[in-house]
Amino acid sequence: AAGVIQSPRHLIKEKRETATLKCYPIPRHDTVYWYQQGPGQDPQFLISFYEKMQSDKGSIPDRFSAQQFSDYHSELNMSSLELGDSALYFCASSLVQGSYEQYFGPGTRLTVT
Amino acid sequence: RKEVEQDPGPFNVPEGATVAFNCTYSNSASQSFFWYRQDCRKEPKLLMSVYSSGNEDGRFTAQLNRASQYISLLIRDSKLSDSATYLCVVSGSQGNLIFGKGTKLSVKP
Repeated sequence: AAGVIQSPRHLIKEKRETATLKCYPIPRHDTVYWYQQGPGQDPQFLISFYEKMQSDKGSIPDRFSAQQFSDYHSELNMSSLELGDSALYFCASSLVQGSYEQYFGPGTRLTVT
Repeated sequence: RKEVEQDPGPFNVPEGATVAFNCTYSNSASQSFFWYRQDCRKEPKLLMSVYSSGNEDGRFTAQLNRASQYISLLIRDSKLSDSATYLCVVSGSQGNLIFGKGTKLSVKP
């Protein structure tokens, strides 16, 4: 079965640079969530989209923005990167009208140097 | 106080053992409950949803006690491949998932 696709899998950036992470949800899933997992931490919710509209925001810094496109893929844009942004960034998708079960992509490992 | 609390472990058990993980959550309005497993540096993978009536999937049994705000996971006949971190997860008011810090399980031969 098709899974959530994320790209790139690994990204190295310098402080103050920008980064764009991409997520392709499972076909027919209409909701996308972004999570950040720091070293030794549990995943923290950043932002979500339902039917291409932002539905909820969590602990997403103002330096970050995201959107969902007409083909349901989503992009997380990160600017003025800081060392503390180094983390695993997961995208998850779900069928809102289902059981709220979320399926995670393999993640993008961002390293800021 | 964290919204989802679980014993971080590690739990070191021999193959074939039965192991139980427990978890408590603070928001009585939470509607959905899950166990995910996460291998090192990999994505969380949905193990099972948890229902008040309890549910079983092969060697795995999950229970939910809404009155006590308590969730459990029982793994019978542990396999080496069960070694992972088990994340107790509840749904937030925004539809997002709220994770516990995870319980590390190591199954030894």
